[in-house]
Amino acid sequence: EAGVTQSPTHLIKTRGQQATLRCSPISGHTSVYWYQQALGLGLQFLLWYDEGEERNRGNFPPRFSGRQFPNYSSELNVNALELEDSALYLCASSPGRLQETQYFGPGTRLLVL
Amino acid sequence: QQQVKQSPQSLIVQKGGISIINCAYENTAFDYFPWYQQFPGKGPALLIAIRPDVSEKKEGRFTISFNKSAKQFSLHIMDSQPGDSATYFCAATPHGSSNTGKLIFGQGTTLQVKP
Repeated sequence: EAGVTQSPTHLIKTRGQQATLRCSPISGHTSVYWYQQALGLGLQFLLWYDEGEERNRGNFPPRFSGRQFPNYSSELNVNALELEDSALYLCASSPGRLQETQYFGPGTRLLVL
Repeated sequence: QQQVKQSPQSLIVQKGGISIINCAYENTAFDYFPWYQQFPGKGPALLIAIRPDVSEKKEGRFTISFNKSAKQFSLHIMDSQPGDSATYFCAATPHGSSNTGKLIFGQGTTLQVKP
C-alpha cells in the first residue's frame, strides 16, 4: 500500500512569491493534515481538511491556506512568502475524522530566499 | 496554552542500553499520546501510542509509561540498536471538538546509539 506522497520534494522561492505544495493521502483516507517543521521549532499544526472542508487551523496567518479535492488530495498555498516560512512542510492523513492516528509523508522542503 | 515539553533534547546511548525519553503536559486534557520516529530526510513514522486510561503499553523493544496524575509519559527503548538512531517526538491530541485533528508535538529528542 502506497503511503502519503508529497510534491515537490524541494521548492525554492523568493520573498513575496507564492508557493503551492501538494499531498496525496493514503488510499481510503479522507482526512488530510498539514504541519510546519521549522528548524528549532518542532512540528506545528497548520490545517486539517476532511471530506473537502477545512475543519481546523492552527495559529498561522491567513496567507497560509489550502484546499482538499474530491479525490481527497490536498494543496497548501503560502502567499506573500517570508524568509521565516522556510521549513519542512509535512502532510499527514488518517482514515476519517474520528481516527486519531496520523500517517505522515516525507515532506516538502521550502526555502525562501 | 497547549504544550508538550520533551526532554532530553539529545541522548547518546551505548548499543544494548536503555534509552529513555520523557514528556510532560499541563493545563489541557489530552486523549491520545502517540510517539513518532523520524529519520533524516523522512517524515515522522508512528512508533507506538497510548490512551490515558492505560498506564503502560509495550510493543517489542518499545514501551510507553503513562502517569496521569503527574501528567507525564515516557518512551523506553530496550536493547537500543544503532538502527534506532533517529529523532523521536512525543505528541498529544487535545480534548474537545475545537481541537479535533490537531496533534501537539514535543520539541523532539535526537537519539544516537553508539555501536
